[in-house]
Amino acid sequence: DAKTTQPNSMESNEEEPVHLPCNHSTISGTDYIHWYRQLPSQGPEYVIHGLTSNVNNRMASLAIAEDRKSSTLILHRATLRDAAVYYCILRDSGSNDYKLSFGAGTTVTVRA
Amino acid sequence: DAGVIQSPRHEVTEMGQEVTLRCKPISGHDYLFWYRQTMMRGLELLIYFNNNVPIDDSGMPEDRFSAKMPNASFSTLKIQPSEPRDSAVYFCASSFGTHVAEAFFGQGTRLTVV
Repeated sequence: DAKTTQPNSMESNEEEPVHLPCNHSTISGTDYIHWYRQLPSQGPEYVIHGLTSNVNNRMASLAIAEDRKSSTLILHRATLRDAAVYYCILRDSGSNDYKLSFGAGTTVTVRA
Repeated sequence: DAGVIQSPRHEVTEMGQEVTLRCKPISGHDYLFWYRQTMMRGLELLIYFNNNVPIDDSGMPEDRFSAKMPNASFSTLKIQPSEPRDSAVYFCASSFGTHVAEAFFGQGTRLTVV
């Protein structure tokens, strides 16, 4: 399975943007990039996913590098509620495997 | 839909006792996943089912762990006998079987084995 690399932690101020990087240099052409986050004392929740093009939804934006070897999750205006662990995960659409494999993720701290 | 429902939310048991964790997936989802989370090892996939059939149980730590899915709306994870090192938060998740499908997680069961 292709692996992802994320920084252990990031800090941000409230109402400022947060850019969370993810490196996936061994990504294959059939790998989707998924992001999940886990708020304190809760189960993980879906944030966004993409394949090649940048994606936007109500929670965040996903910017994917042209060579797909890296991506960035963008929280446009961080709130205290965005403090969580963010996971970048690859899912191979060329396989029959639908599991999500979580790494250590990036712990985001938001300062008031 | 109420989402993925797990019970109990908290379980404290003595070493050697049998523990059963329960999960009700979202109606219509054909995949169900069991995860375990600890500070040391993070989120680990234990086992997952497709249409009630176990597909991959390679993450199940040892024979003391077993999981069943008797029907599309119910799954159990059993530990017998339990040990202190089994203390963790256990999550159940369900999704449709596509690579773009969102997986929905339950609130988890916090298990403490003393």
